[in-house]
Amino acid sequence: QLQLQESGPGLVKPSETLSLTCTVSVGSISRNLYFWGWIRQPPGKGLEWIGSVYSSGSTYHNPSLKSRVTISVDTSKNQFSLRVSSVTAADTAVYYCAKHRGYGDLYYMDVWGKGTTVTVSS
Amino acid sequence: EIVLTQSPATLSLSPGERATLSCRASQSVTSYLAWYQQKPGQAPRLLIYDASNRATGIPARFSGSGSGTDFTLTISSLEPEDFAVYYCQQRSNWPPLLTFGGGTTVEIK
Repeated sequence: QLQLQESGPGLVKPSETLSLTCTVSVGSISRNLYFWGWIRQPPGKGLEWIGSVYSSGSTYHNPSLKSRVTISVDTSKNQFSLRVSSVTAADTAVYYCAKHRGYGDLYYMDVWGKGTTVTVSS
Repeated sequence: EIVLTQSPATLSLSPGERATLSCRASQSVTSYLAWYQQKPGQAPRLLIYDASNRATGIPARFSGSGSGTDFTLTISSLEPEDFAVYYCQQRSNWPPLLTFGGGTTVEIK
């Protein structure tokens, strides 16, 4: 059964870049024609979609994060990654990676990682 | 941006009761709406997609309905494990932008 696991630093300093990786177990990202996404949840708040990447490398992201977000896929490692630059305290959240449900489908997310907490603080 | 408004914010019910949760979109999303369940400390779980289709492994007591701007998630008879936060989610057509509602907490009365 496909599983996702987020990894990366739990503490990032303000103005620096947050970098997270999601490792996909079972199957190959390059052969699976899915979108892979990042979603975050600030403490005590709701969910916010950050963006998603297709197995080919095409990306879509939430314009609210403007140009601070980079999402990429590394098929050789079966991973996809998130980078958020110039972080502030407002970027403190639990970050989830997820798989979108259908082939080439950017609508819904049916497999989620457990999430990783990232705190932005000096 | 399409805004999803969920109501009520909190629903206090007893096990065995019926739960009715609402999600209203600021403009039509046709049937492209999903519902997720989230328990404390856990990732969200997809329950319903395309407004009324149950995801794999979701019990039949969960059902979704609606189209356009008004959607409903119904839990026919609450089990103890159903007390959680529920979110609706849509994807706007172009450019693609996924947004979530603010959530409804179903708590034990």
